[in-house]
Amino acid sequence: DAKTTQPPSMDCAEGRAANLPCNHSTISGNEYVYWYRQIHSQGPQYIIHGLKNNETNEMASLIITEDRKSSTLILPHATLRDTAVYYCIVRVASPGGFKTIFGAGTRLFVKA
Amino acid sequence: EPEVTQTPSHQVTQMGQEVILRCVPISNHLYFYWYRQILGQKVEFLVSFYNNEISEKSEIFDDQFSVERPDGSNFTLKIRSTKLEDSAMYFCASRGTGGGEKLFFGSGTQLSVL
Repeated sequence: DAKTTQPPSMDCAEGRAANLPCNHSTISGNEYVYWYRQIHSQGPQYIIHGLKNNETNEMASLIITEDRKSSTLILPHATLRDTAVYYCIVRVASPGGFKTIFGAGTRLFVKA
Repeated sequence: EPEVTQTPSHQVTQMGQEVILRCVPISNHLYFYWYRQILGQKVEFLVSFYNNEISEKSEIFDDQFSVERPDGSNFTLKIRSTKLEDSAMYFCASRGTGGGEKLFFGSGTQLSVL
């Protein structure tokens, strides 16, 4: 089962920042937080990941709380093409190395 | 950017028939995965594959399913005797050992079992 909790849906105005929260209160010290998104029925797309420090790349920023029990994905200037389901995933160790388990995610609607 | 390629994009089959879904992972990747997504539901893990053997499989991945890497480039998922409930989008994914170990997904094969 997924170790994360996300709101089922969120709205955001085009051009504004989209802040997507995620709770992962049972995360272990060496478990990473990953974010993926799925646009319509396409394959999931990697966005960003982090362990303790805040991270930023060309797509988004990831803010992880000091206790690591929650995080926020920030899309700084959302566009209509950012409308998608966003998945917050705690990657867990498994016999195959690591296992990526998807939860229900947050459906983000970016509106003009 | 390198891509994971899946064929066919759509597959229609009769119940009880065998199907093979094909994937070409990114060339230097060593870890391979199959996921599926039933319409309107979440993405579900099926199986992981490394070093020419299954590393882990989910409860969904029963004896009707098998995976193979028949050559250095392809990774296949076979369903021996399809059931109506196998209708879903099947995603192949691969990852390397560096670069954050992120998964790269293909665009999927939509399997419809009639």
